[in-house]
Amino acid sequence: SYELTQPPSVSVSPGQTARITCSGDALPKKYAYWYQQKSGQAPVLIIYEDSKRPSGIPERFSGSSSGTMATLTISGARVEDEADYYCYSTDSSGNRVFGGGTKLTVL
Amino acid sequence: QVQLVESGGGVVQPGRSLRLSCAASGFTFSSYAMYWVRQAPGKGLEWVALISYDGSNKYYADSVKGRFTISRDNSKNTLYLQMNSLRAEDTAVFYCAREDAARGFDIWGQGAMVTVSS
Repeated sequence: SYELTQPPSVSVSPGQTARITCSGDALPKKYAYWYQQKSGQAPVLIIYEDSKRPSGIPERFSGSSSGTMATLTISGARVEDEADYYCYSTDSSGNRVFGGGTKLTVL
Repeated sequence: QVQLVESGGGVVQPGRSLRLSCAASGFTFSSYAMYWVRQAPGKGLEWVALISYDGSNKYYADSVKGRFTISRDNSKNTLYLQMNSLRAEDTAVFYCAREDAARGFDIWGQGAMVTVSS
């Protein structure tokens, strides 16, 4: 079955740039989506179609994709950005999958 | 405002059934595919089931195929998940989510907790 691989955790100091990667064989041809989930809350869409940002999402969140890897970048991370981050995509057969999630710590 | 509200969660014994509902408001429900996504305690997100905008196409994760049934009533703006033969490993928060063609899962409900335990 198709898998998207994320690092379990990323840690940065406030103001630093955090990068969270998502690796998958179908990513060269399929879009990646990114969701932020704070403790006890529902996920929130923060990046769609690799690099687009929904209205209301701060500009410090950006996305990119190259080859088999998609990357979520948080420029100037803030304490309030501490959350779990999930990538999502599909493969050529239409199989839908979330990455395992990355816990971002900002301290 | 655009909103999804789940209901029907609770504690159920293994082997029993439960039906979740998801009430949509603030948008044209009948224009969107809808999903159920679950999250076991301390674990990641797992998509469970998908239904097309008109209910004509349904897809399921292998882990629930044959046990869960997704449906919708566009006249009532409501999505359902019928869960039969529940197992302990089905214990999770179940979210309903709207799928936008471009933006993916752009709207999520607050979640409904399902606990399968004797």
